Amino acid sequence: GAGVSQSPSNKVTEKGKDVELRCDPISGHTALYWYRQSLGQGLEFLIYFQGNSAPDKSGLPSDRFSAERTGGSVSTLTIQRTQQEDSAVYLCASSLELLGTETQYFGPGTRLLVL
Amino acid sequence: AQSVAQPEDQVNVAEGNPLTVKCTYSVSGNPYLFWYVQYPNRGLQFLLKYITGDNLVKGSYGFEAEFNKSQTSFHLKKPSALVSDSALYFCAVRDRENTGFQKLVFGTGTRLLVSP
Repeated sequence: GAGVSQSPSNKVTEKGKDVELRCDPISGHTALYWYRQSLGQGLEFLIYFQGNSAPDKSGLPSDRFSAERTGGSVSTLTIQRTQQEDSAVYLCASSLELLGTETQYFGPGTRLLVL
Repeated sequence: AQSVAQPEDQVNVAEGNPLTVKCTYSVSGNPYLFWYVQYPNRGLQFLLKYITGDNLVKGSYGFEAEFNKSQTSFHLKKPSALVSDSALYFCAVRDRENTGFQKLVFGTGTRLLVSP
């Protein structure tokens, strides 16, 4: 079946602009994650959605970052007033999360460049 | 807090030789352990995971990893490397005991370079 998809694949924006990144998880997956991959920072967790539970936002680096998941499926990560340090690859992952042992499957990522 | 260490930024190996990519972890409870591979300009692809049971886990593309609880390690291995194995490899851990923390904690990655 189809994997996790993300759009856009690349985004170039000017400092101070807002951006929206989209993630379509694997159909039927109840859990959705956002991670950020930066040069020199590795992969860092941003936010986690599980079903109808309140999201775990503990990884969001500032209040300029927010995310929502509509209808338990598609998720949008929004970065307001972008800064150059926001330049990174933003990765989305999804999993079934029935027993806590499930594999997270990743999308191809959105490469964000803030000029 | 959970953490993962990948002590080698890069591993170089000749095609046909065995390869090992090292990973050690730290969790308060028992771990779930994962290996992912990333090819250039691609997302992460799942290779294998350790949940429980047999300490030797076999995964995709001929890779395997051995869970060693006493050494808190989960090294990735392959008996015979291919040039096409050249990529960035990430080890990740999740704390099995702490069900509130579903996130994966990743190592910094190890670049594997297989020469012809």
